[in-house]
Parts: sequence; structure tokens; C-alpha cells
Amino acid sequence: GAVVSQHPSRVICKSGTSVKIECRSLDFQATTMFWYRQFPKQSLMLMATSNEGSKATYEQGVEKDKFLINHASLTLSTLTVTSAHPEDSSFYICSARDGGSGDEQFFGPGTRLTVL
Amino acid sequence: GQQVMQIPQYQHVQEGEDFTTYCNSSTTLSNIQWYKQRPGGHPVFLIQLVKSGEVKKQKRLTFQFGEAKKNSSLHITATQTTDVGTYFCAGNSSNTGKLIFGQGTTLQVKP
Repeated sequence: GAVVSQHPSRVICKSGTSVKIECRSLDFQATTMFWYRQFPKQSLMLMATSNEGSKATYEQGVEKDKFLINHASLTLSTLTVTSAHPEDSSFYICSARDGGSGDEQFFGPGTRLTVL
Repeated sequence: GQQVMQIPQYQHVQEGEDFTTYCNSSTTLSNIQWYKQRPGGHPVFLIQLVKSGEVKKQKRLTFQFGEAKKNSSLHITATQTTDVGTYFCAGNSSNTGKLIFGQGTTLQVKP
């Protein structure tokens, strides 16, 4: 089945540093990848939609300059949290859609970011 | 904007009891998907419903899509401890194709 990996799985950083999270589709080409944020015991909040070779589409209220998204290839999208602050601490999950198999999204295992 | 509401937020049942979670969208959906997230894990796709009034079954799980394609339900018969987790519905908007997740229903099953 379709597998999506995410790296790192967990990161702790100091306030003010930038953190890059990678999302890879391992056995399929993902024309579209999505980035979600999930606070403890809450739902997934869509942050942005990432299409290969084009600029990401950000949801209302999500700062594009703070959450930089790059979808450089059909198997890789990256999310960079710039100048991270404690309020950015969260669980970040990516998902990928295989253009040929419908609307199902395959989720990565998530990255837990803790900003001190 | 589009909203997807899900109730209840939490449900505690005795093993063997049935469980149902309901999902309601503010707009008509092209399809609805259901995901399960175990504690500490990531959402795992369960099923997608596309047709108005569609009913699909997976063993003890029954999924329904409303006639108006704005609501859906997941029913689990005779719950087991392995059913523990949070169940999310996610609506696929006809306009954008994005998934909008409901708040989720967290199921606890007492053995």
C-alpha cells in the first residue's frame, strides 16, 4: 500500500531557530501533499496544500512566511517552521494524494515539535 | 467557510456495546472519508463514501452517507477494546477538493 514517511518524528529546538520537516511518498508519486497541524486532543487543521512545482496554497490565518512549504518533486514536500516560538509547538502531519487513485489521503506518521 | 461538525466528542462504552458517531457538513460534499487515529498515532484511512445514500460495511463497522451528501455516520457493532481511538470524518468539498476534518469522536472501550 501507499506509504508516506515523515522526518524527523520528534524535534526539540530553542526559540528563534528554524526547523525543517520532510514528507516523502515512498511508493507513489504525490501530485498533491497537505500539511496539517494537530494540537493535543484536537482535530487536524489544514495549514496548506502543496502542489509539485508550484507555490503552496495556504489556509486563512496561516502565515506563509512563517511556515515555508516547498514541493520540489513528486515524492518530497518540506515544511520549514521559521523562527519557531513555543506557541508553534504542535504535532505536524503531512498527507499525500496519489493522483491516480482518487481522493484518499495517505498520512505520514507526524512530527512532534517542541519549542523551548 | 465550510465546516464539518462531529458528535459526540467523547464516548465511553462497555465492551460489546454499540457505538455511533455523527458527522454534519455545512455544505454539500463530493465525498466523505473516515479515518481512525490511535493514541499517539496518525490518521489511518478507513473508507470513502461517494454516492448519495451510500452504505458500506467493513466487518463490524457500518458507514452511511446521507441523501443530501451533507451528513454521515459511523456505527460500530459490539465494540472491542481494539476499537479504541479517535474517529474522524473528513469532508471533501465539491469546490476545492480539500479535506475538512471534523473534531473527531474519541472512543473508550471498557473491557
